[in-house]
Amino acid sequence: GNSVTQMEGPVTLSEEAFLTINCTYTATGYPSLFWYVQYPGEGLQLLLKATKADDKGSNKGFEATYRKETTSFHLEKGSVQVSDSAVYFCALSSGTASKLTFGTGTRLQVTL
Amino acid sequence: NAGVTQTPKFQVLKTGQSMTLQCAQDMNHNSMYWYRQDPGMGLRLIYYSASEGTTDKGEVPNGYNVSRLNKREFSLRLESAAPSQTSVYFCASSRRTVNEKLFFGSGTQLSVL
Repeated sequence: GNSVTQMEGPVTLSEEAFLTINCTYTATGYPSLFWYVQYPGEGLQLLLKATKADDKGSNKGFEATYRKETTSFHLEKGSVQVSDSAVYFCALSSGTASKLTFGTGTRLQVTL
Repeated sequence: NAGVTQTPKFQVLKTGQSMTLQCAQDMNHNSMYWYRQDPGMGLRLIYYSASEGTTDKGEVPNGYNVSRLNKREFSLRLESAAPSQTSVYFCASSRRTVNEKLFFGSGTQLSVL
């Protein structure tokens, strides 16, 4: 079956530091890959997505590249801000329905 | 725009009680979903409705029932609540079923004592 593995958190960084959150997946066929973000007390919001190999999704300074050879979709940002503090979920979708398989989430805490 | 609206935001039940979580979306989306979020386990799909008039089981359907009342509304019912159902529940919707962005409600925090 499908599965998503994320690095365990929490990840604590100083403002302006470089961020990487690792995500690897197992799936049949050719899944679409997503990063969702959850701010405190809110539901999840789509951050970025990629639908085929070598695609790069980007939004709000965050980027992730769909690497089929390593089955990975790592999230990166060059300079984090305190406002980026949230829980980040990697997810995949495959098959005929938008049933997302989520990773366990990685909490990011950015300090001044 | 309201997007996806869930009610209630918080609920405390005793074991064996029943309740219904309500969800409505105003984006004319075809597909709707119920997830539960538990620490260390991410989000797990309970049930989904690919289109009005259809419902299907997700990963963890036991102990739950759903109703797609119309295109806007998708409710989740706990007939006899158990402590294992203590969780945060999220409703979501998407325009159609393949590789579409999901829009989430703000969640219902449910405690079963």
